[in-house]
Amino acid sequence: DIQMTQSPSSLSASVGDRVTITCRASQSISSYLNWYQQKPGKAPKLLIYVASSLQSGVPSRFSGSGSGTDFTLTISSLQPEDFATYYCQQSYSTPYSFGQGTKLEIK
Amino acid sequence: EVQLVESGGGLVQPGGSLRLSCTASGFSFRSHWMSWVRLAPGKGLEWVANIKQDGSEKNYVDSVKGRFTISRDNAKDSLYLQMDSLRDEDTAIYYCAREWGASYFDYWGQGTLVTVSS
Repeated sequence: DIQMTQSPSSLSASVGDRVTITCRASQSISSYLNWYQQKPGKAPKLLIYVASSLQSGVPSRFSGSGSGTDFTLTISSLQPEDFATYYCQQSYSTPYSFGQGTKLEIK
Repeated sequence: EVQLVESGGGLVQPGGSLRLSCTASGFSFRSHWMSWVRLAPGKGLEWVANIKQDGSEKNYVDSVKGRFTISRDNAKDSLYLQMDSLRDEDTAIYYCAREWGASYFDYWGQGTLVTVSS
């Protein structure tokens, strides 16, 4: 099974900051890496699919990169609505797996 | 508008059973793989199971194999999760999610809470 490791587990940042979250797979997953945002009491929301494709309706300040085992999610200029928990997910093979999450908090 | 609506959650004792349902609308349900994903208290998201469009292929995470069964009824645009031999650690919000493209989850339901406790 493929293990996904995110870092950091939590992050404090200010509105306007540039933020990067890292996700590492235990083996190569090509570009089968997706990113989700989840706010308390809400369902997860797809942000980025296949490593770097922006889901329709998602602001362009979100971007993704990487391939193989190492991936990043970048938010270019944090907005108040971006404070949430972020998860990476591999869809290379079942059992699909998520990273442990990165909680992004207001500094 | 794509909608996924889960139901069937509740409080159940350890060793008990529960059947979750997810009703889909706004898209061709029979054309998509579908998944269940859960969020346990204080934990991260965990993929539970998925099922192919015609129900001919099913996959599970190891922790639920032999206890949970995923199924679907394309005539009713519905997805199901039969959960047997429930354990405390199965306590979670259970989401159904539509798979698309390279098996990412592009639409999610609002979730249904399952609490396993004596």
